[in-house]
Amino acid sequence: EPEVTQTPSHQVTQMGQEVILRCVPISNHLYFYWYRQILGQKVEFLVSFYNNEISEKSEIFDDQFSVERPDGSNFTLKIRSTKLEDSAMYFCASGGEGSYNEQFFGPGTRLTVL
Amino acid sequence: EDQVTQSPEALRLQEGESSSLNCSYTVSGLRGLFWYRQDPGKGPEFLFTLYSAGEEKEKERLKATLTKKESFLHITAPKPEDSATYLCAVQARGGSYIPTFGRGTSLIVHP
Repeated sequence: EPEVTQTPSHQVTQMGQEVILRCVPISNHLYFYWYRQILGQKVEFLVSFYNNEISEKSEIFDDQFSVERPDGSNFTLKIRSTKLEDSAMYFCASGGEGSYNEQFFGPGTRLTVL
Repeated sequence: EDQVTQSPEALRLQEGESSSLNCSYTVSGLRGLFWYRQDPGKGPEFLFTLYSAGEEKEKERLKATLTKKESFLHITAPKPEDSATYLCAVQARGGSYIPTFGRGTSLIVHP
């Protein structure tokens, strides 16, 4: 069964450093998403991506964040200068046509900012 | 502002003891309501989408129902493997497709 994969599973970084979180969506999907979940809190939408551009972003997704689909398989989230409050689980999701109806989530990357 | 409230926060059941989880929502107009299951340390796993009041969907021991103000996830004769956090999310009508998630209900089923 196809699945979304994410690497690394755990990333530890120093405050102010740049991190890139990687995702491989399901191969025939067209819509891609990033979410985050701070420990013990709600899942929060960050950004959606379709046709090589951002389709929507939340208030959390400020200038420190960027997304890219550098090739036909990877989808990345970059945080330029990490802050302590960026520590969270980051989930990538993908979906096919009409995909907001059914999104497939990856296992997540736990980001710890020290 | 769209709001999603899930209750109870936590629920402990004995194996075979049926129960329901609640998701109350306040949106200007509902485009869709989603139920997910989340196991510890993993990403949410899609269960159901409901679009209109009166709609019901079933999958194994789970049945989701929808009214104009809330959704219920009914668990019939649960097993220990049903233990997980169950998340509800809503999408409002309008230009944005951004979903709003609830905090979830943590379900533990004891053998």
